[in-house]
Amino acid sequence: AQSVTQLGSHVSVSEGALVLLRCNYSSSVPPYLFWYVQYPNQGLQLLLKYTSAATLVKGINGFEAEFKKSETSFHLTKPSAHMSDAAEYFCASGGSDKLIFGTGTRLQVFP
Amino acid sequence: DAGVTQSPTHLIKTRGQQVTLRCSPKSGHDTVSWYQQALGQGPQFIFQYYEEEERQRGNFPDRFSGHQFPNYSSELNVNALLLGDSALYLCASSPGATGRQETQYFGPGTRLLVL
Repeated sequence: AQSVTQLGSHVSVSEGALVLLRCNYSSSVPPYLFWYVQYPNQGLQLLLKYTSAATLVKGINGFEAEFKKSETSFHLTKPSAHMSDAAEYFCASGGSDKLIFGTGTRLQVFP
Repeated sequence: DAGVTQSPTHLIKTRGQQVTLRCSPKSGHDTVSWYQQALGQGPQFIFQYYEEEERQRGNFPDRFSGHQFPNYSSELNVNALLLGDSALYLCASSPGATGRQETQYFGPGTRLLVL
């Protein structure tokens, strides 16, 4: 069965600092992996997705994620945080059939 | 191009009542999935509709039912509401026939409060 674990329910960084949000997956088949962002009182917006074409995936708003099969990880990074990045971030496994979500990581950005 | 739309945005019901939520998929998408997001949790898959049939179902009781119309729009119905049904209900659409790697695009959600 597929599952996704997000380490750290809350992450706080200063504006301009590196953002690192952790995600580990468990899957018996090659996974499709996604990162979504949710701003307060809104739905989910796709940041990026991995579909086995390339291990380093670039997304919107300067975010990227690297698929590491040996570590079963798909961590999300951004070199320099901006105040507007404050939101809830969800890692998900699956595809167009159904998505399995992690519990989410709330990112706070301090000036 | 309109994205996924949902109505209503907010809803308040009392225990035991029934509720219907509506979703219109993104243009060109024929598959609709529904998710429940409880406060502080990640979304949980309820079910998916394709070609007006329920194609997959998550671990939700039969009180949760759905429908897909010929224009691909969808409804989620919940009967005999419980306090625990209070959540944000998200609809997502995708081009279902083209493969698992396709992305699901989400609507803004309907926030349901059961008193």
